[in-house]
Amino acid sequence: GENVEQHPSTLSVQEGDSAVIKCTYSDSASNYFPWYKQELGKRPQLIIDIRSNVGEKKDQRIAVTLNKTAKHFSLHITETQPEDSAVYFCASGHLNYGGSQGNLIFGKGTKLSVKP
Amino acid sequence: EAQVTQNPRYLITVTGKKLTVTCSQNMNHEYMSWYRQDPGLGLRQIYYSMNVEVTDKGDVPEGYKVSRKEKRNFPLILESPSPNQTSLYFCASSLSGVAQPQHFGDGTRLSIL
Repeated sequence: GENVEQHPSTLSVQEGDSAVIKCTYSDSASNYFPWYKQELGKRPQLIIDIRSNVGEKKDQRIAVTLNKTAKHFSLHITETQPEDSAVYFCASGHLNYGGSQGNLIFGKGTKLSVKP
Repeated sequence: EAQVTQNPRYLITVTGKKLTVTCSQNMNHEYMSWYRQDPGLGLRQIYYSMNVEVTDKGDVPEGYKVSRKEKRNFPLILESPSPNQTSLYFCASSLSGVAQPQHFGDGTRLSIL
């Protein structure tokens, strides 16, 4: 079945540095790739997503890149701040021609620690 | 306030005693889903529903049942809970499927003894 590999499992950076988290997926039919942030004891929340017809998407300090040929996508956080400390999950989904499918496969998560 | 509400938030119970975790959303969302979160395993989808009376299995459906009789509610049923179902459970909803932002509930921590 579909599998999403996420690396690294933990990441520690100094405040102000950049952080990169990488994911690879196995199903070539996957065409939707969201990233979720989960702070300690809280619910996951969508921070950014990308569809397969786009190679890169930015939202302020956060960016996601997608390489369809290699079947991998990455989350980039620049100028990290202590409040970026959380667990980040990548996921992949398959959209059909009607716009959406139901199955979302998550990576195992990356615990990001930003040290002041 | 737009929200996904799960109940109970915490439950300790014993093997074999049927239980139901309720999930309700007030956003008129068509899509609802259940996930379990275990340390080191991330979020794994149990069941999802694209609309009323339409449900389908996710990656780990064994031991669980769901129903979608009304748009706003999507209960998760454990007919005969076992210790390996001890986990943190999240319900989520979105407007029309996985390509829309998933709104998660606050989670339900289940302990099966």
